[in-house]
Amino acid sequence: DIQMTQSPSSVSASVGDRVTITCRASQGISSWLAWYQQKPGKAPKLLIYAASSLQSGVPSRFSGSGSGTDFTLTISSLQPEDFATYYCQQANSFPAFGPGTKVDIK
Amino acid sequence: QVQLVQSGAEVKKPGASVKVSCKASGYTFTGYYMHWVRQAPGQGLEWMGWINPNSGGTNYAQKFQGRVTMTRDTSISTAYMELSRLRSDDTAVYYCASDVAYCGGDCPPPYYFDYWGQGTLVTVSS
Repeated sequence: DIQMTQSPSSVSASVGDRVTITCRASQGISSWLAWYQQKPGKAPKLLIYAASSLQSGVPSRFSGSGSGTDFTLTISSLQPEDFATYYCQQANSFPAFGPGTKVDIK
Repeated sequence: QVQLVQSGAEVKKPGASVKVSCKASGYTFTGYYMHWVRQAPGQGLEWMGWINPNSGGTNYAQKFQGRVTMTRDTSISTAYMELSRLRSDDTAVYYCASDVAYCGGDCPPPYYFDYWGQGTLVTVSS
């Protein structure tokens, strides 16, 4: 099975900051990667799929890049509603999620 | 609008089974794979498997093989996930999530999870 890791596990940031989260797959997955945002007590929300495609309705301050084994999610200017936990997910035959990165207020 | 509405919270004893339902509306139920994902308290997300609502075909994560059964009733646009031989570490919120891609037949990967249900808390305790 393909394992996913994320770094950092948590990050403290301020409104307006640029935040970058990294995700690594244990083997190449082409561009088959998604990013989700989850707030406490809520279901995850799809932000990015196919590594860099923005899901409809998601603000353009979110962007994704990468292919193969290394991927990044960037929030260009952090907004108050962006404080949440972010998960990457490989989209292979047996999908799997990374352990998550919590973005909290500095 | 698309909605996935799940059944209510359950409390079960170890060794019992639980069946969670997920009623879809606002889209063609048979056109999108339905996935099940769970999240233990304070933990990350874990994919359990998918069902093809069109054919009833399934694919389960190896971890759950032999304990999970995913079914659907197309007449009422509802998917079900049954987990048997429950253990305390099965305590989690269980989510259904529809795939992002329309596919009227057998759908190869990639699999991305678009619309999610509100989650069903299953507590396993003696």
